[in-house]
Amino acid sequence: AQSVAQPEDQVNVAEGNPLTVKCTYSVSGNPYLFWYVQYPNRGLQFLLKYITGDNLVKGSYGFEAEFNKSQTSFHLKKPSALVSDSALYFCAVRDIRGGSYIPTFGRGTSLIVHP
Amino acid sequence: DSGVTQTPKHLITATGQRVTLRCSPRSGDLSVYWYQQSLDQGLQFLIQYYNGEERAKGNILERFSAQQFPDLHSELNLSSLELGDSALYFCASSFTAERGTEAFFGQGTRLTVV
Repeated sequence: AQSVAQPEDQVNVAEGNPLTVKCTYSVSGNPYLFWYVQYPNRGLQFLLKYITGDNLVKGSYGFEAEFNKSQTSFHLKKPSALVSDSALYFCAVRDIRGGSYIPTFGRGTSLIVHP
Repeated sequence: DSGVTQTPKHLITATGQRVTLRCSPRSGDLSVYWYQQSLDQGLQFLIQYYNGEERAKGNILERFSAQQFPDLHSELNLSSLELGDSALYFCASSFTAERGTEAFFGQGTRLTVV
C-alpha cells in the first residue's frame, strides 16, 4: 500500500516568515506525490506534484516542495508566508485499490499565518 | 474554478431519508471519485467510476450507492440516513486514473442530517 503521513496537525507562522508543512511517504516503486490546499468551505485545490526529476518542485501561489528520497519526505515550503495562505494542506499519493490508483490523503495540516 | 460542479451545495434532511448528490466532472475527464470529509475521519475515499464503470470501492457503506452515466456525470445516493452521515461530500475527477495524474475537486455538498 502507498501512504502519506502528516506529522503536524497545525503549523503556526508569522507573516513574512518562511513556512514548512511536513509530509512523509511510504510507497513501493517510484513515488508520485501531490500537495493540495483547502480553504474554508471550499474543495481541495491542486498545488503541485512530484513525478520524477528535479527534487524541488514549484507550484501555484509561490509554493514549492522538496522531495527527499533518503528521508522519504516531501515537505511543502514557501519563502514568505501570507495571511491568506492560512488553510488546510493535504499531502497525497495514489494508492492502488482493486487495480485502480486512488488519490489517498494524509490527515491534513492546518496552517495559520499570524499578521 | 476547478471545472468540477457539485449540486446541491447544502442539504439538510431528516434521519431515515434518502438524498442524491450530483457531480459533473471536468470536460474530458473519465474518472470520478467520491469522498467523505468529516472532522474525526479526515478525507475518506468512497468509490471510483471510470468511463461509466465502477473501478474501486473504499469505505462506502451498504446504504450508499453511486453510478456514472453515459454523459460521465455521477450521482451518489445516500439512504436510511443517520446523524453520523452528516459530513462534506466531495467529488473529484481526473482524465486518467494513472499514478501521476492529479485530481480536481468540486466545492462539495455539505450534508446535515437532523
